[in-house]
Amino acid sequence: KNEVEQSPQNLTAQEGEFITINCSYSVGISALHWLQQHPGGGIVSLFMLSSGKKKHGRLIATINIQEKHSSLHITASHPRDSAVYICAAQETSGSRLTFGEGTQLTVNP
Amino acid sequence: DAGVIQSPRHEVTEMGQEVTLRCKPISGHNSLFWYRQTMMRGLELLIYFNNNVPIDDSGMPEDRFSAKMPNASFSTLKIQPSEPRDSAVYFCASSSLGPYNTDTQYFGPGTRLTVL
Repeated sequence: KNEVEQSPQNLTAQEGEFITINCSYSVGISALHWLQQHPGGGIVSLFMLSSGKKKHGRLIATINIQEKHSSLHITASHPRDSAVYICAAQETSGSRLTFGEGTQLTVNP
Repeated sequence: DAGVIQSPRHEVTEMGQEVTLRCKPISGHNSLFWYRQTMMRGLELLIYFNNNVPIDDSGMPEDRFSAKMPNASFSTLKIQPSEPRDSAVYFCASSSLGPYNTDTQYFGPGTRLTVL
């Protein structure tokens, strides 16, 4: 069993749909990161959170520490949101990130 | 700021050759991370430095891999000798807090390594 698991692995949506990507982790963490990897391969950090909820534009990230679960939501999805979304758990013992396998999101016009 | 700079962007080499990947972190950042991404294993941490000191190198696959950070603005990841299974995209990332603090990591564009 991976320490960080994401679901779904692949997600196809129509433009405008509300999207949710889930991440569960089994390790103790100091923070949970959400990353976006563009089709060209570049990686961008979207959120880093250790409790509650963060919002940036159409993106919302939530975390439930007790349940060891985080979600990434995209409202009013757009084709340019098509990318791989990766969650990563930052261990309490340091800065090491353990990555999930990623969710490939495709938003069709 | 130019962001994290990596070179080369692409490297094709033959098995047995030495490969050196380079990274310049964002100015002022004092933590630097080397990651490897493959289709089979996804993203993996290889090693990270804080204030130029290696903090955790448990992800370095074997003795063929070595990493150095001689100063705050430069790091290298060396593979000697290279093998086809080392083919991957290698990312460097940097952040601005200490080894036990949390901060956003900023990723470089990656180096795509192909070992024939």
